[in-house]
Amino acid sequence: QVQLQQWGAGLLKPSETLALTCVAHGGSFSAYNWNWFRQSPGKGLESIGEINHSGYTKYNPSLKSRVTISIDTSMNQFSLMLSGVTAADTALYFCARRSGGWQYFDHWGQGTLVSVSS
Amino acid sequence: DIQMTQSPSSLSASVGDRVTITCRSSQSISSYLNWFQQEPGKAPKLLIYAATSLQSGVPSRFRASGSGTAFTLTINSLQPDDFATYFCQQTYNFPWTFGQGTKVDMK
Repeated sequence: QVQLQQWGAGLLKPSETLALTCVAHGGSFSAYNWNWFRQSPGKGLESIGEINHSGYTKYNPSLKSRVTISIDTSMNQFSLMLSGVTAADTALYFCARRSGGWQYFDHWGQGTLVSVSS
Repeated sequence: DIQMTQSPSSLSASVGDRVTITCRSSQSISSYLNWFQQEPGKAPKLLIYAATSLQSGVPSRFRASGSGTAFTLTINSLQPDDFATYFCQQTYNFPWTFGQGTKVDMK
């Protein structure tokens, strides 16, 4: 049974750095690609970025200048950092596993609500 | 980015109804189309992948069709658990993009 568990600070001030981590329990960690998404009322569901077991990353161009995704295969976990947050970064953040082939997301973390406020 | 457009944005239905949701992409995405169900404050749940394939454990009343730029999700005989929001997502090109969602509520 695969489970993704995520954690990180939920309340930030403007200009701070958002940091979230997601750990995968069960399954073969190296066989999949690992993603971060966020969801806000204004922008809907949005892809933030992806990393594979080799550390190769893809970032959404809209966030690329502020995003870093890293991976620790020894711990079966991956992390998101988003620098210089503003109120526009207030959202529910999710980690998810992407399967190859048809590229679908079959397992998701429980979500972390991140609020940015002074 | 590939734009995904869902319709309708909301609909009201009763238990036992058949519900149809459509999704269009701004360019051809072959069959790289997924459908999700989401409850408020929870993670999306994968229902359909590769445009027509039912995810393991998902009831067979969920059916989907389409390829290229036009896709459909049909829920046959709507059940109480099905009142939720549904999203389509393309995984043809990164960044992965989603439709804006269709909220199915009780008539």
